[in-house]
Amino acid sequence: EAGVAQSPRYKIIEKRQSVAFWCNPISGHATLYWYQQILGQGPKLLIQFQNNGVVDDSQLPKDRFSAERLKGVDSTLKIQPAKLEDSAVYLCASSLVWGQGWEQYFGPGTRLTVT
Amino acid sequence: AQKITQTQPGMFVQEKEAVTLDCTYDTSDQSYGLFWYKQPSSGEMIFLIYQGSYDEQNATEGRYSLNFQKARKSANLVISASQLGDSAMYFCAISPDKLIFGTGTRLQVFP
Repeated sequence: EAGVAQSPRYKIIEKRQSVAFWCNPISGHATLYWYQQILGQGPKLLIQFQNNGVVDDSQLPKDRFSAERLKGVDSTLKIQPAKLEDSAVYLCASSLVWGQGWEQYFGPGTRLTVT
Repeated sequence: AQKITQTQPGMFVQEKEAVTLDCTYDTSDQSYGLFWYKQPSSGEMIFLIYQGSYDEQNATEGRYSLNFQKARKSANLVISASQLGDSAMYFCAISPDKLIFGTGTRLQVFP
């Protein structure tokens, strides 16, 4: 079974530029998550999708971040314009269903450096 | 609001020895789940073990066990017979509905 795929693995941009990350979850997984992991911290949930609907985006900085999951499969996360504090690893995860005991499977992440 | 506290920024253990990684949590929910994830230098988060708040027995998965003490709100991870490949960051997380992670503990296993 293929795992969660993410691309690119690394990205370096200048502040005020835009960037997009792509995620393809495990086949059949209804729930998709985007996390931001700043160096030295645990991952922080940015947005959660159930199929193609947003369940939770309370911690997404909506003035600059956007995400979509068209057709309920793969997803893109965009930052426009980027700030220095956006430098982090962006992790995508998926789970079969949404619920307390369901394990989330993570992708390898995209390491973003904003200069 | 939920919170996870991992007070050990780093731990060292000799190969084949057991090690305990501490995790305490705070929540007002009655129903929740506790997770441990491993993050090697490659960056991917790997699920290790899960404990439900109503589970009476401690969870075990191979060399991993979760020492769940509900009254103390602690969910420590015990790794038995450490291996060199266990060197990584370890994160504790709580989930009433979404995962909330602690700051992690870096474990280094030496020969």
